[in-house]
Amino acid sequence: AQSVTQPDIHITVSEGASLELRCNYSYGATPYLFWYVQSPGQGLQLLLKYFSGDTLVQGIKGFEAEFKRSQSSFNLRKPSVHWSDAAEYFCAVVGGGSNYKLTFGKGTLLTVNP
Amino acid sequence: NAGVTQTPKFQVLKTGQSMTLQCAQDMNHEYMSWYRQDPGMGLRLIHYSVGAGITDQGEVPNGYNVSRSTTEDFPLRLLSAAPSQTSVYFCASSPGTGGGHGYTFGSGTRLTVV
Repeated sequence: AQSVTQPDIHITVSEGASLELRCNYSYGATPYLFWYVQSPGQGLQLLLKYFSGDTLVQGIKGFEAEFKRSQSSFNLRKPSVHWSDAAEYFCAVVGGGSNYKLTFGKGTLLTVNP
Repeated sequence: NAGVTQTPKFQVLKTGQSMTLQCAQDMNHEYMSWYRQDPGMGLRLIHYSVGAGITDQGEVPNGYNVSRSTTEDFPLRLLSAAPSQTSVYFCASSPGTGGGHGYTFGSGTRLTVV
């Protein structure tokens, strides 16, 4: 069965610093991978997704993620964090073919210090 | 085009009461699903459907029933609410197979069982 691990429950960074949020997945074939962001009390917003092709994916709000098959990872990065990036971030995976089910990691809470 | 609509947005139930969370989509999507979100647990799949008349269990189905009589609607029923079902519930839909078309999420229903 597919699964997602986000090793960091809570990360704190200073505004303007770089950010990397880790995501490791378990799936036998090439998966579809997603990063979502959720602000307090809000719904889920899609940041970016990887389906195939270029392993470096650009998303909204200046985020990017890199798919590394050899490491089963899909880490999210941002060169300079803004205070408005404070939120919870979820990595998610779904298998190809007829496997519709989207499986989420437990999330990483990002705090941004001024 | 309204996307995925969830009602109600907030609900308080007493233990033992029943209720139905509504989810409707107007995009003719085949796949629909229900998740619950609890602190530190991410989003966990409750039930899903790959088309009208077809439903299946996800990771945490106990205490919940679903049916899919039309393509548009996928209600989630709590027959006898328990405090453990206090959570935020999200409905999601997808147009095709394997997740390659992405997912659209509703804005969520915050349920409290007292």
